[in-house]
Amino acid sequence: GAVVSQHPSRVICKSGTSVKIECRSLDFQATTMFWYRQFPKQSLMLMATSNEGSKATYEQGVEKDKFLINHASLTLSTLTVTSAHPEDSSFYICSARTWADTQYFGPGTRLTVL
Amino acid sequence: KQEVTQIPAALSVPEGENLVLNCSFTDSAIYNLQWFRQDPGKGLTSLLLIQSSQREQTSGRLNASLDKSSGRSTLYIAASQPGDSATYLCAVRVSLTQGGSEKLVFGKGTKLTVNP
Repeated sequence: GAVVSQHPSRVICKSGTSVKIECRSLDFQATTMFWYRQFPKQSLMLMATSNEGSKATYEQGVEKDKFLINHASLTLSTLTVTSAHPEDSSFYICSARTWADTQYFGPGTRLTVL
Repeated sequence: KQEVTQIPAALSVPEGENLVLNCSFTDSAIYNLQWFRQDPGKGLTSLLLIQSSQREQTSGRLNASLDKSSGRSTLYIAASQPGDSATYLCAVRVSLTQGGSEKLVFGKGTKLTVNP
């Protein structure tokens, strides 16, 4: 099946720093990419939806200036957590949708903000 | 607002047992329903996808049913094995009003432990 990769898989940073997470569709072009956040024992919550070359659409309650999303190509999207704080510590998962409308998920990135 | 509930939150069974995981959703206006598996600290693996017009899907020892009118789905696992231990997530695909895009709405999952 199709593969979606995320990098890094785990990151620890100091409060106030910015962290960039990459999401790549390795063997297909993604019409749309999604970013989710999952807190312990909670469900995945959609943060934003992005289409290549256009601005991301953020879910209610998600700060677009804090979570910067860039969808530079049909195979790459990045999420930058700016001025990270301990409450941003979470598991971030990206997903990519194919032209055939199938959605594949990345392995996730564990962010810990000290 | 669509809400997805999964019961039970956790389940522990002996190896070989057949089991059923439950998922309910509040709004029947869905495009499809999908069951995923998530291993600890990992991403999601899609198990079964049921379109809104379908009643069930089967893959190996897994069978998922969908009753859209009552807002329910079940995932049946036959002859469970220790390797089936994981968290199982149910998600419905919905369309958003006011120009929003379609999205998946997830339940919190059922953590399954199959004991040897």
